[in-house]
Amino acid sequence: DAGVIQSPRHEVTEMGQEVTLRCKPISGHNSLFWYRQTMMRGLELLIYFNNNVPIDDSGMPEDRFSAKMPNASFSTLKIQPSEPRDSAVYFCASSLGLWNNEQFFGPGTRLTVL
Amino acid sequence: AQSVTQLDSQVPVFEEAPVELRCNYSSSVSVYLFWYVQYPNQGLQLLLKYLSGSTLVKGINGFEAEFNKSQTSFHLRKPSVHISDTAEYFCAVSEGTGNTGKLIFGQGTTLQVKP
Repeated sequence: DAGVIQSPRHEVTEMGQEVTLRCKPISGHNSLFWYRQTMMRGLELLIYFNNNVPIDDSGMPEDRFSAKMPNASFSTLKIQPSEPRDSAVYFCASSLGLWNNEQFFGPGTRLTVL
Repeated sequence: AQSVTQLDSQVPVFEEAPVELRCNYSSSVSVYLFWYVQYPNQGLQLLLKYLSGSTLVKGINGFEAEFNKSQTSFHLRKPSVHISDTAEYFCAVSEGTGNTGKLIFGQGTTLQVKP
């Protein structure tokens, strides 16, 4: 299995632009998680899905952030408009079920907003 | 509410020395506990997890951790570290009741193994 796939690996954009991050979970996994990692705040859970349905989006920082999972093999995290403080590494993870199951992380997308 | 505290932000140690990375958690319910490792420019990968049963858990790469309910701790240990163990280590907790699916991560501990 290829593991969790994220694209792009690096994204540099200017303030105000729309940014879309993509994730393909491991085949057969039914839970998907989006995290953000920064030096200041560490690793934060933004939102997670179970069977393509958003379960908890309380970690989404602002209305500028939105996430979708149109099918079991694809999810997007969109930031519109982007701001410099959104600069971070964004990770997608998937697992087979919830709670006690191992989460498999993708390599991350490093976002820089100028 | 759950929280996880990793008591050391950085731990420098010489190669072949033992190491302990400390983790304390707070929760009013039963928990599941995890240690993840993050190598530079990579995502996190699971080292080990405690769900139930024996309080001493063995993981990959020679790491082990002990769940201590009375002290609400889940410290990670390795008897002899290698240069390749240099990485960031994260402790995480998940509630044992309900089906929330959330993992709460600590701030991370950077393990620096010196030759």
